[in-house]
Amino acid sequence: GENVEQHPSTLSVQEGDSAVIKCTYSDSASNYFPWYKQELGKRPQLIIDIRSNVGEKKDQRIAVTLNKTAKHFSLHITETQPEDSAVYFCAAPLNYKLSFGAGTTVTVRA
Amino acid sequence: GAGVSQSPSNKVTEKGKDVELRCDPISGHTALYWYRQSLGQGLEFLIYFQGNSAPDKSGLPSDRFSAERTGGSVSTLTIQRTQQEDSAVYLCASSLTGASYTQQFFGPGTRLTVL
Repeated sequence: GENVEQHPSTLSVQEGDSAVIKCTYSDSASNYFPWYKQELGKRPQLIIDIRSNVGEKKDQRIAVTLNKTAKHFSLHITETQPEDSAVYFCAAPLNYKLSFGAGTTVTVRA
Repeated sequence: GAGVSQSPSNKVTEKGKDVELRCDPISGHTALYWYRQSLGQGLEFLIYFQGNSAPDKSGLPSDRFSAERTGGSVSTLTIQRTQQEDSAVYLCASSLTGASYTQQFFGPGTRLTVL
């Protein structure tokens, strides 16, 4: 089955700096890679996703890159702000369902 | 439109009691998922419903856990003879189709505390 590994488990950055979270997956047939953000006490919400036919996707300060050969994908947050503090989860398909990474707790220091 | 809703938002129960958690998916969504999130942990898949197909129960941790989905809409997760290790947030999600590339929308969760 799919095994999604996510690193780091915690990340502390200075406001304005960039944050990068990396995930690896095992199933070469995986074709969809979403990222969810979960603020404290809230539900996970999709912030960006990427299909396997593209290598990079951007949405304002957030970008995701995909390397299918190496089977890893990354989330990049630029110009971090305090509201970016949250837990971020990556995911990859396992047959018809998603397998989630263990999460990265991002703390943005003012 | 209305998102995924869950009830109750919080549930405190005594060890050994049964509990029922409810999920109302987004109208028209054919796929429904239950996950468990222990304190500071990731999302643990429990069960998946897709249309009229037999559910995927491969993530249920024990036979004390069961779930049903009536009429292809509302779902109920039942935990019998609750144990302290069952304490967690139980999240429900729905998606328009069962395809893995379809966005999953999460509910607010039910925080279960077993004393």
